[in-house]
Amino acid sequence: AQSVTQLGSHVSVSEGALVLLRCNYSSSVPPYLFWYVQYPNQGLQLLLKYTTGATLVKGINGFEAEFKKSETSFHLTKPSAHMSDAAEYFCAVTSNFNKFYFGSGTKLNVKP
Amino acid sequence: DAGITQSPRHKVTETGTPVTLRCHQTENHRYMYWYRQDPGHGLRLIHYSYGVKDTDKGEVSDGYSVSRSKTEDFLLTLESATSSQTSVYFCAISGPGGVNNEQFFGPGTRLTVL
Repeated sequence: AQSVTQLGSHVSVSEGALVLLRCNYSSSVPPYLFWYVQYPNQGLQLLLKYTTGATLVKGINGFEAEFKKSETSFHLTKPSAHMSDAAEYFCAVTSNFNKFYFGSGTKLNVKP
Repeated sequence: DAGITQSPRHKVTETGTPVTLRCHQTENHRYMYWYRQDPGHGLRLIHYSYGVKDTDKGEVSDGYSVSRSKTEDFLLTLESATSSQTSVYFCAISGPGGVNNEQFFGPGTRLTVL
């Protein structure tokens, strides 16, 4: 069985501050991990993914995430928040690229 | 953007009526999915399909059925809608295959059951 836990349903940061969104997963097999972003009234779009190879992955819009097997984590970071980053972010896990399991989401608020 | 459309985009219906949502893709991907999104729950898988006429249940399949008679279309049916099925429904496709797979999402259908 696989599952994802996202700590913090709401995160608020000031513009220019570090963004850190937490994701921990549970998987009995090697996981493949994803971060998606959802803007209001839109579908989800892929930010970045970890499949194999380098554990630090870079995505769009300056986001990156690091796969830490020992901590079963895949936290999303961005050095400097921008107002346009305000959205909801979802972490997802799969072991076979056929069924994907999503976390409950974290809403990011960016204050001017 | 992946070619995924959902229809209708908004629907209001009454308890007890049947409702069918349609997902259409132009990517020829094998896997298609229906999710519902509710506050505090993220996305929960209702049903998915791994080929024409091949479907399987997800974690919240009760009250829903699906059909896939063509590669490009995946239908979600609520046989008798209930207020608990008020939600935003997302269709997704998965491709191109193997470790390069990722999910692409449609724009969503907002369903209100009165």
